[in-house]
Amino acid sequence: DVQLVQSGAEVKKTGESLKISCKGSGYSFTNYWIGWVRQMPGKGLEWMGIIHPDDSDTRYSPSFQGQVTMSVDKSINTAYLQWRSLKASDTAFYYCARTPQVWFDAWGQGTPVTVSS
Amino acid sequence: VLTQSPGTLSLSPGERATLSCRASQSVRSNYLAWYQQKPGQAPRLLIAGASSRATGIPDRFSGSGSGTDFTLTISRLEPEDFAVYYCQQYGSTPLYTFGQGTKLEIK
Repeated sequence: DVQLVQSGAEVKKTGESLKISCKGSGYSFTNYWIGWVRQMPGKGLEWMGIIHPDDSDTRYSPSFQGQVTMSVDKSINTAYLQWRSLKASDTAFYYCARTPQVWFDAWGQGTPVTVSS
Repeated sequence: VLTQSPGTLSLSPGERATLSCRASQSVRSNYLAWYQQKPGQAPRLLIAGASSRATGIPDRFSGSGSGTDFTLTISRLEPEDFAVYYCQQYGSTPLYTFGQGTKLEIK
């Protein structure tokens, strides 16, 4: 079975850094892009960007360019999303999802991130 | 921009649901997908390529449309179908865009 397992809930203070992870299994990890999607409390889905595990080719949404960094370690089938300096407005659920570059056909369970002052 | 309507749809089990997704520009090659999200869960792919059901999706779910107008139809609502539904397109800037969602609630 295709599975994407994300790291656990995070509670951070404004200005702190954070790196969350997404580990893929049950498929060839380097054959599909990994996307990241934000869902703020009570709101809809927002695409953040995608990264290709084979060569780390990355495409960011203009809304998130410069705000986050995506990376991948293909030796352990894991993708990462990181922030250098968190803001309260980064409070949200973050989902990773597998994509053949058109739609998202498998999703992680989500990582809730809470940022407070 | 993808605009979904209605924002909320109130129906009873057994009824037919019709959800709309309208794009501001033509969606190329039918790069349009539909997702279902239940409370506390991740989204799940229902329909890809505007009309192809994803693996394991019951045949009461169907997708149609092309160009700028797309529809998700649930032929006979089951209790587990009450959720939020999102459409998503690929190919313009930004590369992926989601609609704002339609909440399907029990009447």
